[in-house]
Amino acid sequence: DIQMTQSPATLSASVGDRVTITCRASHSISDWLAWYQQKPGKAPKLLIYMKSRLQTGVPSRFSGSGSGTEFTLTISSLQPDDFATYYCQHYDGFPWTFGQGTKVEIK
Amino acid sequence: EVQLLESGGGLVQPGTSLRLSCAASGFNFETNAMSWVRQASGKGLEWVSSISGWGYDKKYANSVKGRFTISRDNSKNTVYLQMNGVRAEDTAVYYCATTGDSNTVVNYHPMDVWGLGTTVTV
Repeated sequence: DIQMTQSPATLSASVGDRVTITCRASHSISDWLAWYQQKPGKAPKLLIYMKSRLQTGVPSRFSGSGSGTEFTLTISSLQPDDFATYYCQHYDGFPWTFGQGTKVEIK
Repeated sequence: EVQLLESGGGLVQPGTSLRLSCAASGFNFETNAMSWVRQASGKGLEWVSSISGWGYDKKYANSVKGRFTISRDNSKNTVYLQMNGVRAEDTAVYYCATTGDSNTVVNYHPMDVWGLGTTVTV
């Protein structure tokens, strides 16, 4: 199985900060990578798919990049609504697996 | 508007069975793969199972293979997760999610739209 490792586990930041979350895959997953946002008590929400394609309705301050085994999610200017937990997920063959999550907290 | 509504969760004893349902609306159900993802309290997300649009192709996580069965009834726009031989480690919120265009196979696709979830406690 492909293991997905996110870093950091927790990130403290202020409104307006540029934030970067890293996701590493144990094997190459080409571009089959998605990012989700989850707020407490809510279902996850798809933000980015195919490593860098923004889901409809997602603000352009979110962006994704990377290739092979290392990927990043960047929030260019953190907004109050962005404080949440973020998960990466590969879908390059089964089983699909998620990273353990990165919680973005208010500094 | 795409809507997914899970039901069937509850408190069950280890070793027993439970069937979860997910009623879908607002999109062409039979041409979409569907998935189940679970989340234990305070923990991360775990993909559980996916099924193709016509129900021919089914995929399972190793942790549930042989115990859980995914199925769908396209006439009722509903996907199911039959959980047999449940264990304490199956305790979680179970979400269903749309998983892209699909007829015979589950394609490589993220989970687009998620339901609110149903809670299973073993």
